[in-house]
Formats: sequence, structure tokens, C-alpha cells
Amino acid sequence: GAVVSQHPSWVICKSGTSVKIECRSLDFQATTMFWYRQFPKQSLMLMATSNEGSKATYEQGVEKDKFLINHASLTLSTLTVTSAHPEDSSFYICSAPNLAGAYEQYFGPGTRLTVT
Amino acid sequence: GNSVTQMEGPVTLSEEAFLTINCTYTATGYPSLFWYVQYPGEGLQLLLKATKADDKGSNKGFEATYRKETTSFHLEKGSVQVSDSAVYFCALSEVINAGNMLTFGGGTRLMVKP
Repeated sequence: GAVVSQHPSWVICKSGTSVKIECRSLDFQATTMFWYRQFPKQSLMLMATSNEGSKATYEQGVEKDKFLINHASLTLSTLTVTSAHPEDSSFYICSAPNLAGAYEQYFGPGTRLTVT
Repeated sequence: GNSVTQMEGPVTLSEEAFLTINCTYTATGYPSLFWYVQYPGEGLQLLLKATKADDKGSNKGFEATYRKETTSFHLEKGSVQVSDSAVYFCALSEVINAGNMLTFGGGTRLMVKP
């Protein structure tokens, strides 16, 4: 089946620094990718839709200047958390849809961000 | 807008017990329905899916039937194992623009004791 990878799998950074998370579709092309955030013991909340060749679409309440998304190619989307604060600590998950299938999506393994 | 409601956990069962996790949805169109599973420390994995009314999705002993009349997609397994301990998410998907967007339920944590 299709594979989506994320890098890094976990990262610890200091408050005020920026962190970039990569999401790659390894064996298929993805014109659209989704970024989710998951708090401990909670569900996934959609943050934004990443579109190759155009601007990302952010969900209400998500700061676009803080969570920068770049869909550089058909296999890569990046999420940069700028000027990170402890409240940004979370599990970030990306997914890519299989347009050839029945609306199925493939999820990356997630990136755990801890801001100290 | 779309929404998914699933029973709150945790659900604690003994091995070989019968499992039901309820899931109901609201949607404006004709969504596809999914169950995803998240094992401790891992990402989400698709467990099963159904794309139209009366379809039954099944995998690894789990089953769920797309019931349009009751807008439900309840997850069942006849005999759970300790290895089934995980968080289960019900989700629906409708196509938007060039892709499809998933709406998740809150997740239900299942704990199976030996």
C-alpha cells in the first residue's frame, strides 16, 4: 500500500525557535496533503490543507503565520512551527489522499514536538 | 457541517469478549466511512472502510456496516484480543476540491485485559 513518511519522528526545541516537519508520499504523488494536530488522549484536529503549487488553506483558529506550510513538490509538504512555545507541544500528523481509491487517506507516523 | 460522534472511552474488556464501539455521523452528502486504529506510539492505520449504504467493511475480525437510515457505522468484533488494545477513530470523508477531507470522531480507547 501507499506509504507516507514524516521526519523527524520526534523533536525537542527551545521556546522561540522554529521547527520544520516534513511529510513525504513515498510511492505516489499527492497534490493535496493534510496536516493534523493531536493532543494527548484526544482526537485529530485538522489544521490545514496543503496544496501543491498554491497557498495552503487553514482551518478557522489556526494561525497561518505561525504554522507555515509549503507544498514544494508532488511528494513533499512541510510544516514549520515558527517561534514555538510550550503550548505548541503536540503530536503533528500529516496525511495524503489516494485519489485513485475510494477517498482513502494514508497517514504519516506523526511527529511529536516538545517545546521547552 | 459534517460531524462524527463516537462513544467515549475507555472501554475495558476481558480477552475474548464481544466489542461494540458506536459511531454516528451527520453529513450533507454521501460520505465514505472509515475506522482508523492508533496503536500506542504509532500513527493512524486504516482498519476498514465502506463507501456506500449497506456496505460492510471488515478486517482482522472487525466489522462495520454503513447504515444510512440510522446514520451509523458501529464497529464490532466477536472476540477481542489483548493486541487489539488501541484507540479507535471513526471518520467520514467527502471530496473537496482536489482532495478529500476526513472528519474524525473523538476516538475511543479500548483496553483488553488478559
